[in-house]
Amino acid sequence: GAGVSQSPSNKVTEKGKDVELRCDPISGHTALYWYRQSLGQGLEFLIYFQGNSAPDKSGLPSDRFSAERTGGSVSTLTIQRTQQEDSAVYLCASSLMREGVETQYFGPGTRLLVL
Amino acid sequence: AQRVTQPEKLLSVFKGAPVELKCNYSYSGSPELFWYVQYSRQRLQLLLRHISRESIKGFTADLNKGETSFHLKKPFAQEEDSAMYYCALLSGSARQLTFGSGTQLTVLP
Repeated sequence: GAGVSQSPSNKVTEKGKDVELRCDPISGHTALYWYRQSLGQGLEFLIYFQGNSAPDKSGLPSDRFSAERTGGSVSTLTIQRTQQEDSAVYLCASSLMREGVETQYFGPGTRLLVL
Repeated sequence: AQRVTQPEKLLSVFKGAPVELKCNYSYSGSPELFWYVQYSRQRLQLLLRHISRESIKGFTADLNKGETSFHLKKPFAQEEDSAMYYCALLSGSARQLTFGSGTQLTVLP
């Protein structure tokens, strides 16, 4: 079946502008994750959704970052007033717990460049 | 707090030679460990997980709780194994993955 998809694949924006990144998880996967992959920080966890709720927002780097998930499916990550240090690849993953085993499947990422 | 360490940023071996990518972790609970691989211009994908005790593409990894290690091994490396390898620990109430910094493996002809 189809894997996790993300859009756009690339985004170039100017400092101070807002951006919205989209993630379509694998159908039926209840958990959804956002990660960020940057040169200086490696792969870091941002936020997690179980269904539509986000019980853990501790990974969001600042209050300029927010995310929502609707209908237990699509999620959007919004970055307000972007800064150059926000430049990174933003990865989405979805997972399903089955018989006590959980595997996260990753999307191709959105490469964000803030000028 | 949990931590995953991959001490080698770059690793080069010749085709047919054994390869070992090191991973050490720090976690107070019972660890669930994974190896993910990212081939050039492809998405991050699961290679194997310790709980399944599987061998994928000839790779194996054994969890050693005494040494807090989860090294990835393959007896005979192939050129198509060249990729970035990440060791990851599943933890926390959010069950998020904590990744190591990755090891870029290059298998030379």
